Amino acid sequence: ELKVEQNPLFLSMQEGKNYTIYCNYSTTSDRLYWYRQDPGKSLESLFVLLSNGAVKQEGRLMASLDTKARLSTLHITAAVHDLSATYFCAVDGETSGSRLTFGEGTQLTVNP
Amino acid sequence: GAVVSQHPSRVICKSGTSVKIECRSLDFQATTMFWYRQFPKQSLMLMATSNEGSKATYEQGVEKDKFLINHASLTLSTLTVTSAHPEDSSFYICSASPGHQQTQYFGPGTRLLVL
Repeated sequence: ELKVEQNPLFLSMQEGKNYTIYCNYSTTSDRLYWYRQDPGKSLESLFVLLSNGAVKQEGRLMASLDTKARLSTLHITAAVHDLSATYFCAVDGETSGSRLTFGEGTQLTVNP
Repeated sequence: GAVVSQHPSRVICKSGTSVKIECRSLDFQATTMFWYRQFPKQSLMLMATSNEGSKATYEQGVEKDKFLINHASLTLSTLTVTSAHPEDSSFYICSASPGHQQTQYFGPGTRLLVL
């Protein structure tokens, strides 16, 4: 059974600071996704990482993937209040038939 | 492109009634659609996977007779919560994929409240 673990689950940070969210998964994977969810809303796709060493950046967010370590990171640079949301990673396992397994989510609060 | 809609966005119903939620892919053909449920402050849990023209595959612990899924066309899947109870109150999110191992596109979700 594929397991996906995120840490931390809760993150409170000051504006302007940097931080990293970690996503570990238990089996080999075809692809890894990062999503953002605002309260009461559905998921917004942030990144899709397809291969070992993949790095993608959008604004203050940068995601990377290490398939050997089965680890992905979402790095936040110079956080701003608008980044406050819950962030999920999800993994599409090699034998899952496109079924996604989600991490528990990281609730990020950026304080002014 | 790749827009998925859900209807209704919110629904309140009485205990014992049935509720139907529609999921549509607006600008692509979705060979596979997925239904997720999310309780407050929790992650998304996959309920079932449906492929057009065939029976849905349910995850362990999900009652197929309670959560009826129909994927009648390449752009529409429906989830019917039968004999709803208060514990079925949740946020139901669908996603659609244009093909095997292709990216899933998520709908805006349907919030169900059973009184």
